[in-house]
Amino acid sequence: NAGVTQTPKFQVLKTGQSMTLQCAQDMNHNSMYWYRQDPGMGLRLIYYSASEGTTDKGEVPNGYNVSRLNKREFSLRLESAAPSQTSVYFCASSGTGGSIMSNQPQHFGDGTRLSIL
Amino acid sequence: KNEVEQSPQNLTAQEGEFITINCSYSVGISALHWLQQHPGGGIVSLFMLSSGKKKHGRLIATINIQEKHSSLHITASHPRDSAVYICAVGGAGSYQLTFGKGTKLSVIP
Repeated sequence: NAGVTQTPKFQVLKTGQSMTLQCAQDMNHNSMYWYRQDPGMGLRLIYYSASEGTTDKGEVPNGYNVSRLNKREFSLRLESAAPSQTSVYFCASSGTGGSIMSNQPQHFGDGTRLSIL
Repeated sequence: KNEVEQSPQNLTAQEGEFITINCSYSVGISALHWLQQHPGGGIVSLFMLSSGKKKHGRLIATINIQEKHSSLHITASHPRDSAVYICAVGGAGSYQLTFGKGTKLSVIP
């Protein structure tokens, strides 16, 4: 079972470059999330998609854009990368049927380690 | 915004010891999650609870809604339990979780 798949696993960018992080889930989940994890801080929500066709800002959305391509896929784009965006990025998904609230277990991908020079 | 505090930040235990990790939050919630992050980085959901107690193998999670406090217990700890344990809370009607900074557990043989 693949669960949540993130690509790439590692990436090094130069300041100003753009890139898209890809995420796909095969659990028929309604909701998908992008987080960043920085040393000494808890996971912070960048954007989320409560259901196919909707996206909303989380706690730290500046410098990022997202696309919910279909029910399975949720991508995160950095248009002009900055060193402050060096982090580990996690995609997660949750919720089947009519359950789309935060009282559903979240399933995480393995993360993308992104370094911006 | 809910504030989530975990204690201790770091914990070293001898194999076989009973371990307790604590989580406190500031605002009423609909559910509390315990997650495990392995040294390789992957994150796994261990428990989700809104009241009472849940048990899975050697892991036990409890929550006291009135006191806004949860504990994660590990009985007969083993080196493979070495990981970062993360507490997260979700508010009623919200899609978002607020995460604690995690507790790093090292179990020594």
